[in-house]
Amino acid sequence: EAGVAQSPRYKIIEKRQSVAFWCNPISGHATLYWYQQILGQGPKLLIQFQNNGVVDDSQLPKDRFSAERLKGVDSTLKIQPAKLEDSAVYLCASSQGLAGQETQYFGPGTRLLVL
Amino acid sequence: AQSVTQLDSQVPVFEEAPVELRCNYSSSVSVYLFWYVQYPNQGLQLLLKYLSGSTLVESINGFEAEFNKSQTSFHLRKPSVHISDTAEYFCAVSNSGYSTLTFGKGTMLLVSP
Repeated sequence: EAGVAQSPRYKIIEKRQSVAFWCNPISGHATLYWYQQILGQGPKLLIQFQNNGVVDDSQLPKDRFSAERLKGVDSTLKIQPAKLEDSAVYLCASSQGLAGQETQYFGPGTRLLVL
Repeated sequence: AQSVTQLDSQVPVFEEAPVELRCNYSSSVSVYLFWYVQYPNQGLQLLLKYLSGSTLVESINGFEAEFNKSQTSFHLRKPSVHISDTAEYFCAVSNSGYSTLTFGKGTMLLVSP
């Protein structure tokens, strides 16, 4: 079974530029998550999708971050414009369902450096 | 709201020694508890989880964790570590509602020969 795929693996941009990350979840997984992991901290949930609907985006900085999962499969996360404090690893994860006991499967992450 | 505290940011240990990584949580509702491991240059992967039933849960590679409701803890232990156990370990909590995970800051386990 293929795991969660993410691209690109690394990205370096200057502040005020825009950037987009792509995620392909495990086949058949209805729930998809984007996390931000700043160096020295645990992952923090940015947004959670159930199929193509948003379940939780309470911690997404909506003035600069956006995400979509139009067909209920792949997802993209965009930052526009980027700030220095957005430097982090962006993790995508998926699970079969929405319940609290579900195991989340993580991709390798995209490491973003904003200069 | 729920939170997770991992008091130790780094735990250095010699190979074949025992280790305990501490995790305490705070939640006003029933919880599910998880330990995830992140090996260098890899994504997080589930190590073990507590959902219900026996408070002692085990992983396939010799780790175990015990859910202690009165102390709101879920410490991770291994009686004898290997070099290959060097990784960052994250404790996480969710509740019986949505599957949103709240993570601790992580503990880096450094195993040396």
